[in-house]
Amino acid sequence: NAGVIQTPRHKVTGKGQEATLWCEPISGHSAVFWYRQTIVQGLEFLTYFRNQAPIDDSGMPKERFSAQMPNQSHSTLKIQSTQPQDSAVYLCASSVGLGGRGQDTQYFGPGTRLLVL
Amino acid sequence: AQKVTQTQTSISVVEKTTVTMDCVYETRDSSYFLFWYKQTASGEIVFLIRQDSYKKENATVGHYSLNFQKPKSSIGLIITATQIEDSAVYFCAMREGTNSAGNKLTFGIGTRVLVRP
Repeated sequence: NAGVIQTPRHKVTGKGQEATLWCEPISGHSAVFWYRQTIVQGLEFLTYFRNQAPIDDSGMPKERFSAQMPNQSHSTLKIQSTQPQDSAVYLCASSVGLGGRGQDTQYFGPGTRLLVL
Repeated sequence: AQKVTQTQTSISVVEKTTVTMDCVYETRDSSYFLFWYKQTASGEIVFLIRQDSYKKENATVGHYSLNFQKPKSSIGLIITATQIEDSAVYFCAMREGTNSAGNKLTFGIGTRVLVRP
């Protein structure tokens, strides 16, 4: 079974450019999460979807960051006017559901390493 | 707000011995879920084991087991018969279970484990 797929694996952008990151969750998983990992902040939650609907975006920076899930097979994280402080590994995770009995276990993709010069 | 604390920055052990890692958490919820993940040198984040707060028995999966001490808000990870490939960074994480905002994972800063021959 394929795990969570993220593309690209590496992305280098210039300051002020736009970056779009893609995530394909595990087939049959209804919940999709985005996290960011940096040396300073560690692993931080950004946002999540359930059945394609946005549920909680409390971790998203208010400006320049947006996420969508147009269909059940992919989600995108878009960063407009990228800044050097946006450099991080962006991780996507998915889970079967949000209930107990293990359905809520999140499985992570390999991440996209974003470098903003 | 929920909080997860891992105080051990790094641990070094000899192959085939046992390593124990600490994690304490803070939550106001009566129902919550605790997870341990491993991040390999390649950056891959792998789910290892979980403990649901309402379960009294410590979880065990393969050579991973948990030491759940609810009164102390503590969830330690024990790895027995360590192998070189267990060298990684281990993250403790928590999910609160009572509302939609609780579905995100809150992570500790990680403990780096080195298993040496």
